[in-house]
Amino acid sequence: TQLLEQSPQFLSIQEGENLTVYCNSSSVFSSLQWYRQEPGEGPVLLVTVVTGGEVKKLKRLTFQFGDARKDSSLHITAAQPGDTGLYLCAGDTGTASKLTFGTGTRLQVTL
Amino acid sequence: KAGVTQTPRYLIKTRGQQVTLSCSPISGHRSVSWYQQTPGQGLQFLFEYFSETQRNKGNFPGRFSGRQFSNSRSEMNVSTLELGDSALYLCASRGTGGRQEKLFFGSGTQLSVL
Repeated sequence: TQLLEQSPQFLSIQEGENLTVYCNSSSVFSSLQWYRQEPGEGPVLLVTVVTGGEVKKLKRLTFQFGDARKDSSLHITAAQPGDTGLYLCAGDTGTASKLTFGTGTRLQVTL
Repeated sequence: KAGVTQTPRYLIKTRGQQVTLSCSPISGHRSVSWYQQTPGQGLQFLFEYFSETQRNKGNFPGRFSGRQFSNSRSEMNVSTLELGDSALYLCASRGTGGRQEKLFFGSGTQLSVL
């Protein structure tokens, strides 16, 4: 069974702080996706990284895919309350709809 | 363009009963996947349907089944409900443009088994 471990599990920070969420596995993935899920809603795709070593930026969010395509990180600069939510990484092993999801990181950003 | 629609939003059932959940994908999407989300196990893949055929299956018992209709709408059925089946069931659809197509999730059906 492929596992994607995310750390930290919970994160409570104040507005303006920076943070990094990690997603680690012993398995290699064709691509890795990051989602954000808000209460009562389904996950919403933030980004897909495909190439080992790839870095993608989405405004204040920076995503990195490890060189070996086994791990990834999400860095948020100057967090805002609107960033609050459950962040999930998900690995694609070649069957694009059969994703392996990470354990999740619950982020709370307060004023 | 309407998103993925799941009905009902909430369901309460008792052990031993069966339940059917419905999912209408985004117009034009032919792939529909189902996931179970629980606090303990997180999001786990149940199965995927494409053009009325099951294309992939996760590691769930046979009590979990699904089907897809010619209009791409999908239903998921769980028979002989157990307490551990209490979860948020999410449906996702994707287009036919290849593996780079995004997965769009619905808001889910929250199932409580008493």
